[in-house]
Amino acid sequence: NAGVTQTPKFQVLKTGQSMTLQCAQDMNHEYMSWYRQDPGMGLRLIHYSVGAGITDQGEVPNGYNVSRSTTEDFPLRLLSAAPSQTSVYFCASRPSGRSPQETQYFGPGTRLLVL
Amino acid sequence: GEDVEQSLFLSVREGDSSVINCTYTDSSSTYLYWYKQEPGAGLQLLTYIFSNMDMKQDQRLTVLLNKKDKHLSLRIADTQTGDSAIYFCAESSFTDKLIFGTGTRLQVFP
Repeated sequence: NAGVTQTPKFQVLKTGQSMTLQCAQDMNHEYMSWYRQDPGMGLRLIHYSVGAGITDQGEVPNGYNVSRSTTEDFPLRLLSAAPSQTSVYFCASRPSGRSPQETQYFGPGTRLLVL
Repeated sequence: GEDVEQSLFLSVREGDSSVINCTYTDSSSTYLYWYKQEPGAGLQLLTYIFSNMDMKQDQRLTVLLNKKDKHLSLRIADTQTGDSAIYFCAESSFTDKLIFGTGTRLQVFP
């Protein structure tokens, strides 16, 4: 198993450009989520999905869109990038359920710089 | 809303014990977690504790939970240079969402 993969690893955008951060998992996990990590602020939940066709907003959803057409993929779209979206983005997945053993598996992250 | 607080930095000598502290506000928290993030990597779950427990020990790691004060701590015995990383406290309630703290950067010096 590759686990959770994210592409690209690093991206530079100009203000106003759009792009899609890719996330895929091969563990047949139902729950997937996107976080952003900013210095001194920990990880904040952007959007999450409890299964194919179902998505919901997290703490900081503005400026981001998601879709979940398959169990494996959960792309994050920035429609019009802003400097405030400069951050490190992590995708995570886990099986459904609330057992702590069913922990979230994190991808390696995408570092995004918006000029 | 939910809030999880941690101190930002901790520096310890190799071989000493490290204690990383965390406070949270959500009284309905069911599980509390400690994650480790090494440079350039994602987060890895270190350990967790259920809210009806006071203590959990796992090899060099000891987790203490004071539910009355909403205080969680992680003690690492015999700290090694490989323990240098950022440590995140996180909590979840019945919503299944994980709320993370700001992270504590642990630096271990020889």
